[in-house]
Amino acid sequence: GAVVSQHPSRVICKSGTSVKIECRSLDFQATTMFWYRQFPKQSLMLMATSNEGSKATYEQGVEKDKFLINHASLTLSTLTVTSAHPEDSSFYICSALGSEQYFGPGTRLTVT
Amino acid sequence: AQSVTQPDIHITVSEGASLELRCNYSYGATPYLFWYVQSPGQGLQLLLKYFSGDTLVQGIKGFEAEFKRSQSSFNLRKPSVHWSDAAEYFCAVGNTGGFKTIFGAGTRLFVKA
Repeated sequence: GAVVSQHPSRVICKSGTSVKIECRSLDFQATTMFWYRQFPKQSLMLMATSNEGSKATYEQGVEKDKFLINHASLTLSTLTVTSAHPEDSSFYICSALGSEQYFGPGTRLTVT
Repeated sequence: AQSVTQPDIHITVSEGASLELRCNYSYGATPYLFWYVQSPGQGLQLLLKYFSGDTLVQGIKGFEAEFKRSQSSFNLRKPSVHWSDAAEYFCAVGNTGGFKTIFGAGTRLFVKA
């Protein structure tokens, strides 16, 4: 089946720094990708919808200047957490829309 | 408002026993319903989905789910659980093609020998 990868799988960064997470569709092209955030023992919350070649659409309450999304190609979307703070620590999951939504394995971000 | 409720945070069943995971939804129109499974360190895998037609849906790994409009439910079932089924299960509701998918809080399944 279709595969979506994320890199890195886990990252630790210091407060105030920025970190970039990549999401790639490995064997199909995805015009649309989604970014989710999952808190421990909680559900996935949609953060934004990323469309190739255009600006991302952010969900209410998600700071677009803090969570920068770039979807420059049909196989790659990136999420950059800018000026990270400990409360940004979470599990970030992307998905790519092919014949259905295919989810990446997630990235564990820890901000110290 | 659209929402998905999974009443059970965690469930423990014996290997070989039957399983039912509950899911209730609130949605303004005809829902598109999904069940996903998430194993530790892995992404979500689609088990099955319901868009229309037969209300009993067969999925992968021997799972099935039944859509009951009158009860706003979409419970997941498996007649005989295997140890490898231990994972987190998410019920979700969305619109066409899975856009704007809303997930339930998840149910953690433990399987005991």
